Amino acid sequence: AQSVTQLGSHVSVSEGALVLLRCNYSSSVPPYLFWYVQYPNQGLQLLLKYTSAATLVKGINGFEAEFKKSETSFHLTKPSAHMSDAAEYFCAVYDANAGKSTFGDGTTLTVKP
Amino acid sequence: KAGVTQTPRYLIKTRGQQVTLSCSPISGHRSVSWYQQTPGQGLQFLFEYFSETQRNKGNFPGRFSGRQFSNSRSEMNVSTLELGDSALYLCASSIASGSYEQYFGPGTRLTVT
Repeated sequence: AQSVTQLGSHVSVSEGALVLLRCNYSSSVPPYLFWYVQYPNQGLQLLLKYTSAATLVKGINGFEAEFKKSETSFHLTKPSAHMSDAAEYFCAVYDANAGKSTFGDGTTLTVKP
Repeated sequence: KAGVTQTPRYLIKTRGQQVTLSCSPISGHRSVSWYQQTPGQGLQFLFEYFSETQRNKGNFPGRFSGRQFSNSRSEMNVSTLELGDSALYLCASSIASGSYEQYFGPGTRLTVT
């Protein structure tokens, strides 16, 4: 079974600082990996996805993630945090056979002025 | 293209009642998946429908059921509501079953009192 672990349920950064949200996955097959963002009382918005093309994936709002097979990681980064980045972030792995996504527990990002 | 729509957005029910939630996928998408999001359990897969057939099912009791219509719209039903069913229910649509690109709706917030 596939699984995802997000390290750190809460991350706090200052505006303008580097954002780093950590995600490790477990998968017996080449994974489809995703990062989603969720704002309060809203659904999930796709930030970026890895589907076995380039290992460095660029997404929306200046976010990017690097797939590292040797470390089974897919960490999300943004060079400079903005107040509007404050939200909850979910890492997910998609299992095509089971037709479902498995999500990490989420990381709440707080951005301090 | 319009996104995934879910109705109603908010719902309050009493223990023992039943509830039906609706999801309209993106035009042209034929697969609909449902997820339950709670603070304690996170995001959990409920089931997936494709071409009016349930293709995959998560680990939920039989009180949770769903169906899909010929126009790909989907409904999920929860009977004999329990307090623990209070959650955000998210619907995701994709072009076909096994397609990793899922688009999420805004969710239905169900509160059981």
